Amino acid sequence: DIVVTQSPESLAVSLGERAVISCRSSQSLTWKSKKHYLAWYQQKPGQPPKLLIYGASIRGFGVPGRFSGSGSETYFTLTISSVQAEDVATYYCQQYYDVRTFGQGTKVEI
Amino acid sequence: QGQLVQSGAVMKKPGTPVAVSCASSGYIFTDFYLHWVRQTPRRGLEWVGWINPATGDTMYAHQFAGWVTFTRDTSIKTAYMKLTRLTSDDSGIYYCAREGESWGPFDYWGQGTPVTVSS
Repeated sequence: DIVVTQSPESLAVSLGERAVISCRSSQSLTWKSKKHYLAWYQQKPGQPPKLLIYGASIRGFGVPGRFSGSGSETYFTLTISSVQAEDVATYYCQQYYDVRTFGQGTKVEI
Repeated sequence: QGQLVQSGAVMKKPGTPVAVSCASSGYIFTDFYLHWVRQTPRRGLEWVGWINPATGDTMYAHQFAGWVTFTRDTSIKTAYMKLTRLTSDDSGIYYCAREGESWGPFDYWGQGTPVTVSS
């Protein structure tokens, strides 16, 4: 099975600061240098995960522009350019190259 | 706008089975695979498997194979997950989620069904 490992486990930032979360995969999630099978989700307490980013860098429907994703092969990052109060949540990466596996999550706090 | 609505919280005794339903609306039920995901404090988000609502084909994560079963009823656009031989380790929140594009991420999620296993 593909293992995806996130870091850090938790992240405390000030309002307006940048937050960066990384996700490493045990094998490449990029197909023919074109398509990246990596997604990011945001989960707030009591809610299901919400799709933020897919294809490593494509924002989901209605996702604010302060969220961006990048990376390829085995290393990916999620960046929140200017953290807002409503961004307090746990963020998960997910690979969908081979079935599905999730990272362990990164809790973002203010 | 697609929507998935799951059945309510349940409490079960060890060794008994549980069934969770996932009713879809707002899209063509048979056009998109449905996945099941478990969330527990100890193991985080775990993929359980998928069902193709059009054909009934299923695939299960190896750690769930043999004791989980997915079915669907296309007439009422609803998918079901049945877990047998529950243990306290199976307590958690079970989600259904739609695969938004073929071999893609999950674009819609159900609200989750808490399952508590306790004697």
